[in-house]
Amino acid sequence: NAGVTQTPKFQVLKTGQSMTLQCAQDMNHNSMYWYRQDPGMGLRLIYYSASEGTTDKGEVPNGYNVSRLNKREFSLRLESAAPSQTSVYFCASMGAGPFGGYTFGSGTRLTVV
Amino acid sequence: DQQVKQNSPSLSVQEGRISILNCDYTNSMFDYFLWYKKYPAEGPTFLISISSIKDKNEDGRFTVFLNKSAKHLSLHIVPSQPGDSAVYFCAALNTGNQFYFGTGTSLTVIP
Repeated sequence: NAGVTQTPKFQVLKTGQSMTLQCAQDMNHNSMYWYRQDPGMGLRLIYYSASEGTTDKGEVPNGYNVSRLNKREFSLRLESAAPSQTSVYFCASMGAGPFGGYTFGSGTRLTVV
Repeated sequence: DQQVKQNSPSLSVQEGRISILNCDYTNSMFDYFLWYKKYPAEGPTFLISISSIKDKNEDGRFTVFLNKSAKHLSLHIVPSQPGDSAVYFCAALNTGNQFYFGTGTSLTVIP
């Protein structure tokens, strides 16, 4: 089915470890986003990419890096994981214009111990 | 600073009755608003939207109302069904393609 695919679905890291969250969309969307969801905080934007080759910081970028590998793929990297990065991470994409908003992936539940 | 606020973390409604979810925003430059529905262990899914040039948009059992002067929007679900039990997020768009999300309201529809 067309949509946004995130891997992995679950991950447990030790403090200081690194990992990359993968995201791919097959809807030919230009814009892609990474959000984190925490209890009582809603969805907060980490990084976004308005088009292939560009990336910009969102509300909570510290501790993260991103790569827009091509139009389909947008990865999120944690270089040195911290317990404060325990969260559910969502990737999203959006086509031209805001109509219909984002299409979200199913999320990655990350626990840093 | 939270630009989009949902002040009710939870709401319980009897099946068949109306559910009203509220959302307030602070930025008068927001010009497009959406509601998303989220089930556990799934990503949010688009539910309904409204442009700032309108004050109402209806889609089946779902209606969104926008009061620009009060910087307030609401989602009405009539009649509520048990399958509507989920977390609902409102979101607002400023210039560009970035949405700002509220903190969510967990709706429980009691059979």
